[in-house]
Amino acid sequence: GAGVSQSPSNKVTEKGKDVELRCDPISGHTALYWYRQSLGQGLEFLIYFQGNSAPDKSGLPSDRFSAERTGGSVSTLTIQRTQQEDSAVYLCASSLGQGYQETQYFGPGTRLLVL
Amino acid sequence: QQQVKQSPQSLIVQKGGISIINCAYENTAFDYFPWYQQFPGKGPALLIAIRPDVSEKKEGRFTISFNKSAKQFSLHIMDSQPGDSATYFCAAMGGSTLGRLYFGRGTQLTVWP
Repeated sequence: GAGVSQSPSNKVTEKGKDVELRCDPISGHTALYWYRQSLGQGLEFLIYFQGNSAPDKSGLPSDRFSAERTGGSVSTLTIQRTQQEDSAVYLCASSLGQGYQETQYFGPGTRLLVL
Repeated sequence: QQQVKQSPQSLIVQKGGISIINCAYENTAFDYFPWYQQFPGKGPALLIAIRPDVSEKKEGRFTISFNKSAKQFSLHIMDSQPGDSATYFCAAMGGSTLGRLYFGRGTQLTVWP
């Protein structure tokens, strides 16, 4: 079956521009996560959606970052007024149920380069 | 601060050898410890996971050893193969943060033929 898909695969933008990154989770998965992977820094948690509950936004690094999940499925991560330090791979993952002790299935990521 | 510390940063092993990657954590509320494998250009994929009620879990050539008192766990890859060359991440989950995973910084494994 289809896995987690993300678009675009690559994004090059100029400093100060806004970008939107999209994630399509595995059908039927109720939990969705965004992580950021910077060189040598591992994966950094950004935000977690679980069903209709309020998202856990505790990992968002600044108020320039926001995310929404429409209809319990597709999610969009928005970065406003991008900075060079935002350059990273943004990974989306989904899991079947509440997410606790469940396998998180990752998409291939969106590689963001801010010039 | 880094909730999960991973070492080494890089590892080179000959084909047929044993690869060992170590991780340590501080938060005693963590109760789920997965290892993820990532190939270049791909997202991480779950390799094997352990819960603290057991000290070891084996799946094929991959084994997790868990030491609850020391708050450490490790991945052993037996009979390492060139196809195992990838980046490996340990992670932990538990406590009030529910589904959130805390990742180590990764180990880049190279297996020479």
